[in-house]
This record gives sequence, C-alpha cells and structure tokens, in this order.
Amino acid sequence: LAKTTQPISMDSYEGQEVNITCSHNNIATNDYITWYQQFPSQGPRFIIQGYKTKVTNEVASLFIPADRKSSTLSLPRVSLSDTAVYYCLVGPRGNLIFGKGTKLSVKP
Amino acid sequence: DTAVSQTPKYLVTQMGNDKSIKCEQNLGHDTMYWYKQDSKKFLKIMFSYNNKELIINETVPNRFSPKSPDKAHLNLHINSLELGDSAVYFCASLGTGNYNEQFFGPGTRLTVL
Repeated sequence: LAKTTQPISMDSYEGQEVNITCSHNNIATNDYITWYQQFPSQGPRFIIQGYKTKVTNEVASLFIPADRKSSTLSLPRVSLSDTAVYYCLVGPRGNLIFGKGTKLSVKP
Repeated sequence: DTAVSQTPKYLVTQMGNDKSIKCEQNLGHDTMYWYKQDSKKFLKIMFSYNNKELIINETVPNRFSPKSPDKAHLNLHINSLELGDSAVYFCASLGTGNYNEQFFGPGTRLTVL
C-alpha cells in the first residue's frame, strides 16, 4: 500500500484558503486518493476523493497532478469549525491505511 | 436514524476481564471494519468483514475476536484485557458510492485499569 507524507500541523485564520499537500510517490495504478476529516472525540468523516486532475464538491477541492505522486486538498474560506485532523489516504478499494494526518488549527 | 452505531460509548474495566463492543450499520453495506485509535491518535485497521466473512486481519493479538452474525453487525470481543488495550475503537462500513468512502461510528472509549 502506498505510503503518504503530509505536514504534521498547519495554522490558519478564519476566511483564508488552506491547502494541505500530501505526497505519495509509490501510488499504484488502481489506487485512489481519499481525504478524511476527524474532529476530536468523533470518527473520521469522508471529505473528497479523486483519481486524477481536479475534483470539487461542496466542501473542498482536490488537485492531483498528472504523475499522481502528490495531491493537494484545498479548503476555501476556512472557519473555526474546520479545526480538525485531515488524513490523506491512498489505496485500493476497501483497504485504507491512515497515517498521522495534518492537524489544522483555525484561529479567529 | 444513526447510520453506524456502537455500544457502549464508554467502557471502563479491570485488567484480565473480557468485554464486548457492538456495532450496527443500517446503510445496507456489505463491508465493515474495526479500527483502533491509541493515545497518540494513530488510527489502525484491525479487521474487515465482507458479508460476514473475514477479509482483512491485521496483526492483532488473538485475544481480539470479531464476530459478524449478519452483514449489518460486526461485534468485537476482547479477552483478558490489558492496559495497552486502552484506546478508542471505531467501527466503520464501506459505502457503495464513492470508491473509498467509509462511514464511521462514534467510537467506544475503552479504559483498562
């Protein structure tokens, strides 16, 4: 399973756009890139997934370059409630390996 | 109409005891999981079942035994509890829409004294 590397922590202010980049140099052909969000004392929650290029939903955007060796989760105009841990996962369907994630702190 | 539910939410017990955690999903999914999140917040997969059959069994002590009576339920039984078993245990099910969208339960915080 592809290993991912992402920053341990990031700080931001309300209203800013936040970009969290994840590297996954050993991604396999049938691997998808999936991002989860976890608030304290809750289970992780799916945010977005993609295979290549750009994906956008009501919560975030996911940018994936052509070589797929990295991906960037973009959160537009964050608020205090976006303070959470964000996990980047790469793998085949049904088998996800969670890393340590990126702890995002949004300040007023 | 909770999607993935777990009971109990909190479990405090003594070393050496045997305990069970129950999980139920009403989403109609075929695949369910158990994860362990330790004090360092590392979330690690333990087991996965598909239609009541074990498909993923990570390196977990055999004191942990999952049981799936039907595809909507995946229970976790732990024998001879140890201090190191203290953690939050999450149950999840795999959706049929997005490729790797898992739906997690609220977690069970197990404390072994």
